[in-house]
Amino acid sequence: KQEVTQIPAALSVPEGENLVLNCSFTDSAIYNLQWFRQDPGKGLTSLLLIQSSQREQTSGRLNASLDKSSGRSTLYIAASQPGDSATYLCAVGAAGNKLTFGGGTRVLVKP
Amino acid sequence: DGGITQSPKYLFRKEGQNVTLSCEQNLNHDAMYWYRQDPGQGLRLIYYSQIVNDFQKGDIAEGYSVSREKKESFPLTVTSAQKNPTAFYLCASSFVGGSNYGYTFGSGTRLTVV
Repeated sequence: KQEVTQIPAALSVPEGENLVLNCSFTDSAIYNLQWFRQDPGKGLTSLLLIQSSQREQTSGRLNASLDKSSGRSTLYIAASQPGDSATYLCAVGAAGNKLTFGGGTRVLVKP
Repeated sequence: DGGITQSPKYLFRKEGQNVTLSCEQNLNHDAMYWYRQDPGQGLRLIYYSQIVNDFQKGDIAEGYSVSREKKESFPLTVTSAQKNPTAFYLCASSFVGGSNYGYTFGSGTRLTVV
C-alpha cells in the first residue's frame, strides 16, 4: 500500500527566503505526482503535476522535482511572499487514477 | 467557467439523520471522487467512480453511500451508520487513462454533528 509522507509538518520562514517542501513515497510504481495548495477552510488548488516520465515541472516561482527511484519529490518556492502562506499537499497518482495524499506542510511566511 | 461545485458549504446533522452532499462538475471529466479531511490528517478516499452507474469503495467507505446516475453529478450520502461524521468533505474529478491528467477539487462542505 502506498504511503506518502511530508516532513516537516509546519514551516515558518521570513519573507524573501526560498521555501523547500519535501514529499516521500514508498512505492515507486506511480503514474504522476501532484502538488496542491490549500488555504484554511478552502478546497485544494492544483499547483504542478509531474508525470512519471518527467524529472521536474516549473510554473513561475514554483519548481517541483521528482526522483522515482528514491521515492522523493521536492517543491521549491522562490522568494517567498506572505501570500504563499498556506498548507501544501503532495499526492501520488497510481493505476486507476487514484491519488494518495501526504499529511501536508503548513507554511507561514512572515513579513 | 468550468469547475466543480459543492453544496452546501456548511451542513449540520442531528444524531441519527442521513444527509446528502452535492457535487456537480462541468469539466466533462470521466471520474469523480469523494475525500474526507480531518484536522492533522491527510485526505482519505471514501468512494470513487470512473463511469456512470459504477463506483468503488475507497479506504473509508463504511457509513457512506454514493450514486452516479449522470456524468456530471456524484452525490455523497452520510448515513446514520457513520459514527464520526464531523469533517471537511472534498469532491474531485479527473479524466482517466493518462499520467498527464490531474485532479480538480471543489471548495468543500464542512459537516458538523449537532
